[in-house]
Amino acid sequence: QQQVKQSPQSLIVQKGGISIINCAYENTAFDYFPWYQQFPGKGPALLIAIRPDVSEKKEGRFTISFNKSAKQFSLHIMDSQPGDSATYFCAAGGSNDYKLSFGAGTTVTVRA
Amino acid sequence: NAGVTQTPKFQVLKTGQSMTLQCAQDMNHEYMSWYRQDPGMGLRLIHYSVGAGITDQGEVPNGYNVSRSTTEDFPLRLLSAAPSQTSVYFCASSYSGWRGDEQFFGPGTRLTVL
Repeated sequence: QQQVKQSPQSLIVQKGGISIINCAYENTAFDYFPWYQQFPGKGPALLIAIRPDVSEKKEGRFTISFNKSAKQFSLHIMDSQPGDSATYFCAAGGSNDYKLSFGAGTTVTVRA
Repeated sequence: NAGVTQTPKFQVLKTGQSMTLQCAQDMNHEYMSWYRQDPGMGLRLIHYSVGAGITDQGEVPNGYNVSRSTTEDFPLRLLSAAPSQTSVYFCASSYSGWRGDEQFFGPGTRLTVL
């Protein structure tokens, strides 16, 4: 039973478009929400992370939106580029736990 | 810095065989962990360690053993391989644990159990 539910499983976007990936969680003890990016044949790498004291965090073309009351958070990739084609994982963790729970992943394909 | 290294990159086992997946990091990180990645399941934590001599179970520990005798190394042992253990295994490390610390992942080991 996954503690973090991620959707969609895959998406295709045209170059310059916006990619949106959504995640939801139930455990109210979670207070750290990172996103990891994984290219084929490689290990995941941290892309961006947010804590629940803010509703949005932006780094370049990547933005996390966080809705604490709905227990949902999402990743927006603006002006999507072919180099953004990868699998994206959301994750969540809590202050009293060393364990990080990952979503199932979303494969993003950006068409040139 | 080499970061997190894993060996082997690929491995094929027969059911019942045992083997050790190696993981090493040169960043002096206290926290190390093992995940398995399966299609549609994301990354699931197998075991983790918060320092030399200290290990604990993650979400899917059955069939796997770990030990941490040094800060640098965190091997994962498959005691008696089963087809259900066919997966891609990732080792990760971070400075003190997940709490806001970036986890650095190795390149993975693709294991097939026949």
